[in-house]
This record gives sequence, structure tokens and C-alpha cells, in this order.
Amino acid sequence: QSVLTQPPSASATPGQRVTISCSGSGSNIGSNFASWYQHLPGTAPKLLVLRNNQRPSGVPDRFSGSKSGTSVSLAISGLRSEDEGDYFCVSWDDSLNTWVFGGGTKLIV
Amino acid sequence: QVQLHESGPGLVKPSETLSLTCTVSNGSISVYYWSWIRQPPGKGLEWIGYVYYSGHTNYNPSLENRITISVDKSKNQFSLRLTSTTAADTAVYYCARLSDYSPHKGSWYFDLWGRGTLVTVSS
Repeated sequence: QSVLTQPPSASATPGQRVTISCSGSGSNIGSNFASWYQHLPGTAPKLLVLRNNQRPSGVPDRFSGSKSGTSVSLAISGLRSEDEGDYFCVSWDDSLNTWVFGGGTKLIV
Repeated sequence: QVQLHESGPGLVKPSETLSLTCTVSNGSISVYYWSWIRQPPGKGLEWIGYVYYSGHTNYNPSLENRITISVDKSKNQFSLRLTSTTAADTAVYYCARLSDYSPHKGSWYFDLWGRGTLVTVSS
């Protein structure tokens, strides 16, 4: 359904580290940057990572991004209960000429 | 800080036009690109299109024959019009700000979002 593939859910206990994957193809992640967003219930989505691995000012260094080939990953360390919510990835697709999205991963802490 | 707020009817009849407005608060609409994104219930996010403060637009090819995105600098707002609606257009609609503006869109990202508004297309 979504062009970028994410696991539907992930879970971990407070204090642990969790990694969320986002798999694409050569026309999107393989040749362009990806960004990550956090969407907590009742709030606006929030930018966590831009250009694969850069954090905007104000985002804690507990959140980190990486890229390998046609996939990107978001790692969250020192998990807190307030991190519970949805996380999704976005990338530009050169073939579709649109931004494409991951289906989102629901993180349970 | 800058905030975005979507507004408009929550219910639209099939075949009618869906109209939404995004108000930019505590900041200027100028210099930026502004976008609309939607998420149908139980489905993934879909980029609809963007407008530059000058009025230049770029639309998702799958929707471009039905959408118009415009900007009103005097009101610090931008708007979405989607014609010939069907139940498939039922979704939460988000407005968002784009950032970066390198020559290639591959490095652009959405740095600010609204909370979204649910629009249901039903008779």
C-alpha cells in the first residue's frame, strides 16, 4: 500500500533502545534523502531527522537516523513512556515525482 | 513558535468540491513552500501538492486534474480545493511547511505540520 515499507509495530521497555526500519527502492531512498517524523496522539507530526541522519535543533540526541542502500533506520535510545506513538519515514521519489511515505510504525513503550 | 491550523467543512457530499484553508500563525507565509498531505482511514499518507508564496504550484500527478492549491499572503493562509469528490477522498488532511529548497527536491523535508482535519465525503 505505502511505497516505503515499515514494520507496523515495535515495542521495548523504558530505558531500552529500539530501531525502526524503512525500506524503499532506487528511485526514492536509494537516490534521495529521507526524513523521519514522530506523530503522538492528538498532536501534529514532528520532524525528528532530516537528510537521513541530521537532527533539527531541539530534537534530543536519543533520536538518530542512518541509511544503508535503499533503506533508512531510526534509532531511539533511552526510551521513555512519552515516546509512545507513531513514527513514519518520507522520501522524494524520482519516478513518481511525489514525496512517498512509510506506512508508519506504532511504538509501544 | 510558528503554528499551522487546518480549517474547513468536516463533511462534503460526493461530487462536490472539498475546500480547506491552512492558517500560518506567529510567522510569515512568505519565502516558504507550503504543502497539503492526506491520510485516508487505515491507509498511508499521500502528498497532494505544494504552493510557493509567489503562487507557483506543483501537484501529485495522480490528483493534478482535480486539485488547486492557492496562497493568500494578506491573510497568511493557503488553501486546497479538490473537485469531483468521492468516498475515496475521505481522509485526515494535513497542511505542512517544506524546507531546504535545494535545486533537487530529494533533499527537501516537511519541517512543520498542522494537527490535521478529518473530511468525510458522504451523502
